[in-house]
Amino acid sequence: GAGVSQSPSNKVTEKGKDVELRCDPISGHTALYWYRQSLGQGLEFLIYFQGNSAPDKSGLPSDRFSAERTGGSVSTLTIQRTQQEDSAVYLCASSLTTGRYEQYFGPGTRLTVT
Amino acid sequence: TQLLEQSPQFLSIQEGENLTVYCNSSSVFSSLQWYRQEPGEGPVLLVTVVTGGEVKKLKRLTFQFGDARKDSSLHITAAQPGDTGLYLCAGANDYKLSFGAGTTVTVRA
Repeated sequence: GAGVSQSPSNKVTEKGKDVELRCDPISGHTALYWYRQSLGQGLEFLIYFQGNSAPDKSGLPSDRFSAERTGGSVSTLTIQRTQQEDSAVYLCASSLTTGRYEQYFGPGTRLTVT
Repeated sequence: TQLLEQSPQFLSIQEGENLTVYCNSSSVFSSLQWYRQEPGEGPVLLVTVVTGGEVKKLKRLTFQFGDARKDSSLHITAAQPGDTGLYLCAGANDYKLSFGAGTTVTVRA
């Protein structure tokens, strides 16, 4: 069965460059989340999409970060003018919407900013 | 500051021993979830506990939700090398999950 997929799995970029990370959620899941996981830290919430509602962007750390979700499915997280502190694993998760909000995670994209 | 505090941060035990991981908060949650994460992969949901005082068993794993719905524990009986991984607890309120920093469990053969 198809789970959540993310691409690329690894991304190395130079400081100051822009990067785009992609997430394909599980088919039929209307809720989509982005998290950031740094070494020794828990998962840090970044943004939440639910159907056609306005996204909850409260976790985005700066205006260099943005995300969109097209057609209620695929999502792209964009980081502009990357900084070394942006280096982390970026995880995407989807869920079936209401209820207990059990989330299904993709394998993540490891971003390294040099 | 983590909303959820997990302890211990690291745990290394011999195969066959028991272990307990704790997840504590000053906040009340509508439910609490436990995930296990292996290197290079995303977290995988193990269990969701909803009711204060609830106990759930998953083979050798026992999960408990505190009466006040602020804390939880994960107990593994007769640990096996396959139990090795990062264990994360996450408290849910509405659609948002707040994660603890995780407990890295290593089970030596």
